[in-house]
Amino acid sequence: DAKTTQPPSMDCAEGRAANLPCNHSTISGNEYVYWYRQIHSQGPQYIIHGLKNNETNEMASLIITEDRKSSTLILPHATLRDTAVYYCIVRANNNAGNMLTFGGGTRLMVKP
Amino acid sequence: GAVVSQHPSRVICKSGTSVKIECRSLDFQATTMFWYRQFPKQSLMLMATSNEGSKATYEQGVEKDKFLINHASLTLSTLTVTSAHPEDSSFYICSARDPHTQYFGPGTRLTVL
Repeated sequence: DAKTTQPPSMDCAEGRAANLPCNHSTISGNEYVYWYRQIHSQGPQYIIHGLKNNETNEMASLIITEDRKSSTLILPHATLRDTAVYYCIVRANNNAGNMLTFGGGTRLMVKP
Repeated sequence: GAVVSQHPSRVICKSGTSVKIECRSLDFQATTMFWYRQFPKQSLMLMATSNEGSKATYEQGVEKDKFLINHASLTLSTLTVTSAHPEDSSFYICSARDPHTQYFGPGTRLTVL
C-alpha cells in the first residue's frame, strides 16, 4: 500500500471548515483513498473514501487532486465533537484480505 | 454503516491469567477480520488477520501461541491473550470488512496487574 503523509496536528475554530491535507504521491491506479477518525479511547470510525472523483456524504467531503497525489478531507462546520485523530490511508480494494495500515494521522483540535 | 461489536469493553486481570475478547460483525458476514493493538499515544498496529475456517496470519513479532485467534463463524472472531503480563496492557481493536469498507469495533481496554 502507498504511504501517506499528514501534518501531525491542526487546530480549527468551532463552526468553521476544517481542511485536513494528505499526500500520497506514490499511490497506484487501483488504490483508493480512505479517511477514518479516532476519538479518544474509541475504535476508528469510517468517514469517507474515493478513487479519483470528489466524494461527499453526511460527514465530510473528500477532494482528490487530478493527479491523485494528494487529497483533502473537509469537515464543513467543525464541532467540538470532531476533535479526534484523522487518518488518511490508501489501499487497493482488489483483495478481501487487504487490511488498513495506519500512519500517525493528524490530531485535529476544534476550539470554541 | 456496518457495525462491529467487541466484548468486553474493558477488562482488568491478574498477571498469568488468560483473557478472551470477542469480535462480532452484526449486520454482515466477514470471511476476514483483523486484530489491532494500540499503545498510549501511538497509532494502531496490526497484530493478525483472522480467516474464517482457517489459521490466522500473524504479523512479524506477534507470538501466535500467546495471542490465540479463532474465527469459527462468518460473524465471530475471538482473540485470547494467554498468560497475560503487564506489558500486554493495551487497547485491542478488531475490524471486519464488507466488500467495500473496513469497519472497526469500539475496542477493548486490557489492563494486566
